This record gives sequence, structure tokens and C-alpha cells, in this order.
Amino acid sequence: ETGVTQSPTHLIKTRGQQVTLRCSSQSGHNTVSWYQQALGQGPQFIFQYYREEENGRGNFPPRFSGLQFPNYSSELNVNALELDDSALYLCASSSSGTVHSPLHFGNGTRLTVT
Amino acid sequence: GENVEQHPSTLSVQEGDSAVIKCTYSDSASNYFPWYKQELGKRPQLIIDIRSNVGEKKDQRIAVTLNKTAKHFSLHITETQPEDSAVYFCAASMNFNKFYFGSGTKLNVKP
Repeated sequence: ETGVTQSPTHLIKTRGQQVTLRCSSQSGHNTVSWYQQALGQGPQFIFQYYREEENGRGNFPPRFSGLQFPNYSSELNVNALELDDSALYLCASSSSGTVHSPLHFGNGTRLTVT
Repeated sequence: GENVEQHPSTLSVQEGDSAVIKCTYSDSASNYFPWYKQELGKRPQLIIDIRSNVGEKKDQRIAVTLNKTAKHFSLHITETQPEDSAVYFCAASMNFNKFYFGSGTKLNVKP
């Protein structure tokens, strides 16, 4: 069973730039969620993708956007980066539909905005 | 939306003692409550979960209790070991959609 993989592991960007983070879901999972984890805090829900469509969104501005592909992998895009966007971005996959499963997290992408 | 509060923020216990971490939630519609363990630099890993139709669940040294009326749930770790040292997060979800996490408890088990 292949777990959730994220790339890159670390990234440094400048304020105002754009970034794309990638996630491959665990085999057998059809849902991908993205979370932002600031230092010393719990993960905060950004959005969830199911059947290639956004299926719920947290309190994040529109400059946070995403995609899910037919193979259930996903991207998180952040435009116009701000210093406060510096955080660990966690992708989690799960199963939705008839049977729901818990979140399984990847190792995350550490984003630093300078 | 849902608001999950977690206490304490840090907890230090002697090896072999018990540890208890408590969480409260605000939305009575939440029906699934997982607990995650996150070691330094690693991914959060599910250690135990409970659904709203169950009051208690146990897995070896770990147990979770849920009080739906009071809207709180707790993690109990017995016979703590140094490898239990980590940050623990509680979470609440309605129908496995959005998960709302607590702010975490840093557990230190002293040998």
C-alpha cells in the first residue's frame, strides 16, 4: 500500500510570488484534503477535493486554490504569497462515498516566505 | 463553524504514569473524533478515533471517552513510555468532511 506523498519537502519563496504544491493520495483513496499547520498550532482546513471538485472550504482567501486529477492526485496553488503563508502544508487522503475513512497525512511541504 | 479547544498545551509525566488530554467542541452536529500523534518533523498519525454513537473506545494502552451532552472528549494513555513523547492533536468532524483540530498537547514522558 502506497502512502500519501507530497512534493517538494521544502520551499522558499519571496512575498508576492506564486507556489504549487503537489500530493499523491494513498492507493484506494478518492478524496484529498489540504491543511495549513503554522508552527506550534494544529492543522487548519483549507479545502477538500472529491471527484475532481472542491467539496468544502475553510476560512482561506481565494488566492488559495486547488485541483484534483483523475488519478486522485492533487495540487495546492497559492498566489500573491504573504509572509503569514509560511507554514507546513499537509495533504491528507481518505475515502468518501459509501464508506468513509480517516485522514491519512503526507509528510508535508514546509513553505517559507521571505 | 466548529471550534475545538484542547488542554493542556503541555503535559509532563513520569514514565509509567497515566496522561489525560481533554478537548471540547462547539458543534453538536460533529460525529467523528480522531486523535493524532505527531512526532517532531513527522506527519500526524492516527492513533485512535471514536464515533458519536460510542461512549468509549480502547486500544491497548490508549483509550478515548466521549461525552456528547457536554461536548467533550478525552484521550487517556496508561503506563506511559518515553516513546509516547510527541504532540497530540484532537479533531472533530461532521461526516468526515472538514476536520477541525485542537491546538495540540506536547506530552513529555520522563524516564
